[in-house]
Amino acid sequence: QKEVEQNSGPLSVPEGAIASLNCTYSDRGSQSFFWYRQYSGKSPELIMSIYSNGDKEDGRFTAQLNKASQYVSLLIRDSQPSDSATYLCAGGSSNTGKLIFGQGTTLQVKP
Amino acid sequence: SQTIHQWPATLVQPVGSPLSLECTVEGTSNPNLYWYRQAAGRGLQLLFYSVGIGQISSEVPQNLSASRPQDRQFILSSKKLLLSDSGFYLCAWSVLGRGGYTFGSGTRLTVV
Repeated sequence: QKEVEQNSGPLSVPEGAIASLNCTYSDRGSQSFFWYRQYSGKSPELIMSIYSNGDKEDGRFTAQLNKASQYVSLLIRDSQPSDSATYLCAGGSSNTGKLIFGQGTTLQVKP
Repeated sequence: SQTIHQWPATLVQPVGSPLSLECTVEGTSNPNLYWYRQAAGRGLQLLFYSVGIGQISSEVPQNLSASRPQDRQFILSSKKLLLSDSGFYLCAWSVLGRGGYTFGSGTRLTVV
């Protein structure tokens, strides 16, 4: 069974701090990884994608991928209350186009 | 630009009634299409996916079926709903080998 694992949280950080969200995956054939943000009652929104080892930065968000350790992370700098949401990690194969989602980590940013 | 439409937004149906949820994509051709369900407080469960017209793959045996009558239309159906079919149903599309999924706005189904 190919899996993506996340700590469900909640992860609570103060406003302005760095939030660190982590994810591990079991399928070594996974070639692409994605982070989605889901506000309560809404559909998931793609916020970051990463395909190669290392870091990828986009504004306050940095995604990190380590294929040797089968580990993906998302860092949110200068966390804002509006970042409070559930963050879903997903891994996929470019061969099939299918994504496997983790259970999600709930982030709470306290003012 | 590509857009995905999903309706209705909310639905309350009695046990044993039929179901039909529709999803359409605009601005792209031959997309991969997916139906997911998210139970309250749970992760995303892939129900069906389709790589082309009439091509449906089922991921989980259940009370539901899917059809793709046109390139950019994906329909989720049930002949008789169960209480356990309640959840948040999400349609998504992607282009094979390019990026992640884009989700529709979802349908919140409550079976009573």
